[in-house]
Amino acid sequence: DAGITQSPRHKVTETGTPVTLRCHQTENHRYMYWYRQDPGHGLRLIHYSYGVKDTDKGEVSDGYSVSRSKTEDFLLTLESATSSQTSVYFCAISSGTGLSPLHFGNGTRLTVT
Amino acid sequence: EDQVTQSPEALRLQEGESSSLNCSYTVSGLRGLFWYRQDPGKGPEFLFTLYSAGEEKEKERLKATLTKKESFLHITAPKPEDSATYLCAVQAWETSGSRLTFGEGTQLTVNP
Repeated sequence: DAGITQSPRHKVTETGTPVTLRCHQTENHRYMYWYRQDPGHGLRLIHYSYGVKDTDKGEVSDGYSVSRSKTEDFLLTLESATSSQTSVYFCAISSGTGLSPLHFGNGTRLTVT
Repeated sequence: EDQVTQSPEALRLQEGESSSLNCSYTVSGLRGLFWYRQDPGKGPEFLFTLYSAGEEKEKERLKATLTKKESFLHITAPKPEDSATYLCAVQAWETSGSRLTFGEGTQLTVNP
């Protein structure tokens, strides 16, 4: 298994509170991604990073920000959580060389009440 | 915009009953098509990458094939442990960051 750790694995928070999810990798891969998975929508890209301090938006980036200060860590922040952000969040990594696949962590289940 | 449609949404098989899952895609220029398996409460697990029409990849009871418009995941003599959700994803040549666009998946249940 690719060395990807997501924390926390489960979180319940209230509307309007800030939330930060963490992804840690031990593979020294260049690319890191945050996806959310919802019934009826599948996996959708929120943000991704192509290097330390280099990030870009995905298709559902509104309400989310990210940071990557070290190769191994990629943080996803919900500045003010809303009920529509209740979801399962997956981090993925890729070496980015050739047509390398993405490898996923086991997800964080976030509930916003 | 890249699009991926998987069918059926759900499939129930008896052990040993072979079948196929479909992944139809629309992409401006296909760089690669990926198949993943996802178990409940887990992240997707990579299975195959297909690069060009006519290509086939095999792994145990699974065989993936690719045409210019769709991909099939053939499951031969499935076992209960093959029960999972199977996801298809595409990467286009002009997409930055090696990003993937996913379908919603096919939930496969194999009964003993």
